Amino acid sequence: EDQVTQSPEALRLQEGESSSLNCSYTVSGLRGLFWYRQDPGKGPEFLFTLYSAGEEKEKERLKATLTKKESFLHITAPKPEDSATYLCAVQAQAGNNRKLIWGLGTSLAVNP
Amino acid sequence: GAVVSQHPSWVICKSGTSVKIECRSLDFQATTMFWYRQFPKQSLMLMATSNEGSKATYEQGVEKDKFLINHASLTLSTLTVTSAHPEDSSFYICSAGGWAREGPNEQYFGPGTRLTVT
Repeated sequence: EDQVTQSPEALRLQEGESSSLNCSYTVSGLRGLFWYRQDPGKGPEFLFTLYSAGEEKEKERLKATLTKKESFLHITAPKPEDSATYLCAVQAQAGNNRKLIWGLGTSLAVNP
Repeated sequence: GAVVSQHPSWVICKSGTSVKIECRSLDFQATTMFWYRQFPKQSLMLMATSNEGSKATYEQGVEKDKFLINHASLTLSTLTVTSAHPEDSSFYICSAGGWAREGPNEQYFGPGTRLTVT
C-alpha cells in the first residue's frame, strides 16, 4: 500500500537553529514528491516538486532533497515566519488520476 | 501564476440547508480539480476528483449524493453540501492541477472555506 510518513510530528526551534524534516514514502513507482507549507486556517502553499532520486531544490532558507526512500526538507537559519505545518505528498505512477498521498505533516514552531 | 480562489471563505448555515462552495483557477486552465476536507490538526482528506466536463470520482466513504461536485468549465468547480448537518462542519479546500500531459503535476490550493453547521 502506498504510504507517506513524516517525522517529527512537531518541532520547536530557536531562530537561527537549522534542522531537517523527514518524509519517508513507499509507493508503487514514484511520479513525483511534493512539499507544501500550510499556515493555520489557510490552504497549503506549494513549495517544491522532486521527480527523481538525487534531485535537490532550494527556495530561500528551504532546501528539499530526495532519495529512493525518503525526502528531507532542510531549513537553514529559520526565522519565526517559517513557523507553519509542512506537508509532504507523493504521486504514484499507477493510475490515470493525479491523486496525492499525504503525510500527516510536521508542525514547526520557530521561537525568536 | 497558479492562483486558486474559493468563495465563500467562511459560511454558517442551519442544519438541513444546502451550501455551495465555488473554486476558481484565476490564471490557468485546470483540467482536474480536487476537493478536500480537513479536521483540526489533521492532514488533508481527499473527497473527490473532478475532471472538466465529466462526473466526479469520489473517494471511498464519501457520499456522492450529499457532496455534489460540478466541474462545468476549465476554471470553475463547485461543491454543494446538501442537507448539511453539524457533523459536516469542517474546513473544505479545493485544489487545481493536472494541466501537464506528462510527469507529476503540482496541485495549487485555494484558501479554504470554513463551514459551520448549527
